[in-house]
Amino acid sequence: SQKIEQNSEALNIQEGKTATLTCNYTNYSPAYLQWYRQDPGRGPVFLLLIRENEKEKRKERLKVTFDTTLKQSLFHITASQPADSATYLCALLTGGGNKLTFGTGTQLKVEL
Amino acid sequence: KAGVTQTPRYLIKTRGQQVTLSCSPISGHRSVSWYQQTPGQGLQFLFEYFSETQRNKGNFPGRFSGRQFSNSRSEMNVSTLELGDSALYLCASSSQGAPPQETQYFGPGTRLLVL
Repeated sequence: SQKIEQNSEALNIQEGKTATLTCNYTNYSPAYLQWYRQDPGRGPVFLLLIRENEKEKRKERLKVTFDTTLKQSLFHITASQPADSATYLCALLTGGGNKLTFGTGTQLKVEL
Repeated sequence: KAGVTQTPRYLIKTRGQQVTLSCSPISGHRSVSWYQQTPGQGLQFLFEYFSETQRNKGNFPGRFSGRQFSNSRSEMNVSTLELGDSALYLCASSSQGAPPQETQYFGPGTRLLVL
């Protein structure tokens, strides 16, 4: 069956450290993978998109890698801040049009 | 540009009733998708509309339906509500029909509670 899995447990890290979140998928061959941030009671906000032919993509303190052989994406936040505390979701485009299938999300808490 | 708006933001219904939720996409966006988010199942795709046509459908029963108007605004309807329909319903819009260059912009959601 098709699955998209993220660290189910919350990730607590200290301010200033690098947070690394994992997204693993099975039985998909996505051309693209996206990462979103969601704060409580709000809709997800798009962060980054990475294509299958891209190994790595960066945006400010964010970095995403995409390994289609391992079927895995890693999402890094460097120099993390308490304001980075949120749930992070990975999503694959899994159908025609704009059908996104989301992972379960990882809750990140950055402590002072 | 104004973002995606959803109304109402909160709703309480009882089992057996029906409900209609509304979504106004970002101006110029023609694709509107609906998602259901629950603690147990996470974010799940309901359906997508593009130019008033349903282009994609998720694995939800026929009680869940939607439509899109000529101005791209969309509504979703849930009939014969069940307790398990309690969720955050999210609408997302994007500017083009063809993925994947376009990101999706989510609204704040409608929180539905079924008693």
